[in-house]
Amino acid sequence: SQQGEEDPQALSIQEGENATMNCSYKTSINNLQWYRQNSGRGLVHLILIRSNEREKHSGRLRVTLDTSKKSSSLLITASRAADTASYFCATEKAAGNKLTFGGGTRVLVKP
Amino acid sequence: GAVVSQHPSRVICKSGTSVKIECRSLDFQATTMFWYRQFPKQSLMLMATSNEGSKATYEQGVEKDKFLINHASLTLSTLTVTSAHPEDSSFYICSALADRENQPQHFGDGTRLSIL
Repeated sequence: SQQGEEDPQALSIQEGENATMNCSYKTSINNLQWYRQNSGRGLVHLILIRSNEREKHSGRLRVTLDTSKKSSSLLITASRAADTASYFCATEKAAGNKLTFGGGTRVLVKP
Repeated sequence: GAVVSQHPSRVICKSGTSVKIECRSLDFQATTMFWYRQFPKQSLMLMATSNEGSKATYEQGVEKDKFLINHASLTLSTLTVTSAHPEDSSFYICSALADRENQPQHFGDGTRLSIL
């Protein structure tokens, strides 16, 4: 199974609502990262949270990390149609090392 | 900042052709570049890790003679799919990592490869 498992696999919400997705992983990590991918495009980095951090914010995004439960969550507040995309968590086990991606959550924000 | 350019964005070619994909970091030096493959509606699968001036490290199950990687400089890595066949059709994405701790990878826009 993958290092990162994401839940839910797909999410459909109305514009203005909040979207929450979760990521679980299995081994110890150096950091955890969240990325967004629009259809047919590359990935865009959203937030990196280090293993000694518990919460991080960036605009309408809020990421939490619970290393005791080996889990992270991404919250998008006041969603917009432009937030429609796939969201991936990825873990880095050691500095400068490769990322292991979760399966992703496909988010659809309906106008 | 931190822009990665991947070229070409789309390739359609006949079976047996070799295809080269370039990945360039435009405004930073990337000591490490990564090549991924992505199937429709699936996550990214790491193919190989490329370090400047040394041989690439391939993931288990990835044929190094099939997918040739060259990391000639701190700003350029290339992936060549040799003698491509229809089963090689996929979305290939590169990323670049600067030599600093706790930095995200910066991704190119991907290359859609279609082998007829």
